[in-house]
Amino acid sequence: EPEVTQTPSHQVTQMGQEVILRCVPISNHLYFYWYRQILGQKVEFLVSFYNNEISEKSEIFDDQFSVERPDGSNFTLKIRSTKLEDSAMYFCASSGVRVGTEAFFGQGTRLTVV
Amino acid sequence: EDKVVQSPLSLVVHEGDTVTLNCSYEVTNFRSLLWYKQEKKAPTFLFMLTSSGIEKKSGRLSSILDKKELSSILNITATQTGDSAIYLCAVGQQPGNTPLVFGKGTRLSVIA
Repeated sequence: EPEVTQTPSHQVTQMGQEVILRCVPISNHLYFYWYRQILGQKVEFLVSFYNNEISEKSEIFDDQFSVERPDGSNFTLKIRSTKLEDSAMYFCASSGVRVGTEAFFGQGTRLTVV
Repeated sequence: EDKVVQSPLSLVVHEGDTVTLNCSYEVTNFRSLLWYKQEKKAPTFLFMLTSSGIEKKSGRLSSILDKKELSSILNITATQTGDSAIYLCAVGQQPGNTPLVFGKGTRLSVIA
């Protein structure tokens, strides 16, 4: 069964460092998303991506964040200068060829900023 | 502000019990309501509901949407310890590729 894969599963980084979280969405999906979940809190939307550009972003997605689809398969989230409060589980999701189909989530990357 | 509210926030039941989890929503341009199960990490998809009154079923799990009441329930019958998880409700809006709005989840613990 096709699945969304994310790497790494866990990343520890020092405050101020840049991190890149990687995702490989399901191959024929067209819409890609990043969500995050701070420990004990709800899943929050960060950004959506369609047709090689950002289609929507939340207030959380400020200038320190960026997304890219560098090739036909990978979808990355870069955090330029990490802060302690960026520590969270980051989920990549993709949804399908038709508008309005369900989103499938990757296993997540747990980011710990120390 | 769009919001999705789940209740209860946590629940402890014994194996074999039946549970009902609730989700209510207030969003503009409602399109669909989705249920996910979150164990250790990723939310795994359970159901997507778009039409009112039509029950979706998968084994011991079932769910139904009530658009008039702006709510949905997720039922689990004959619970097992493997059902222990956080159950997330999320709402999708028009247009269809807008991001999901999640509730805080219901933490279900099933004890033997």
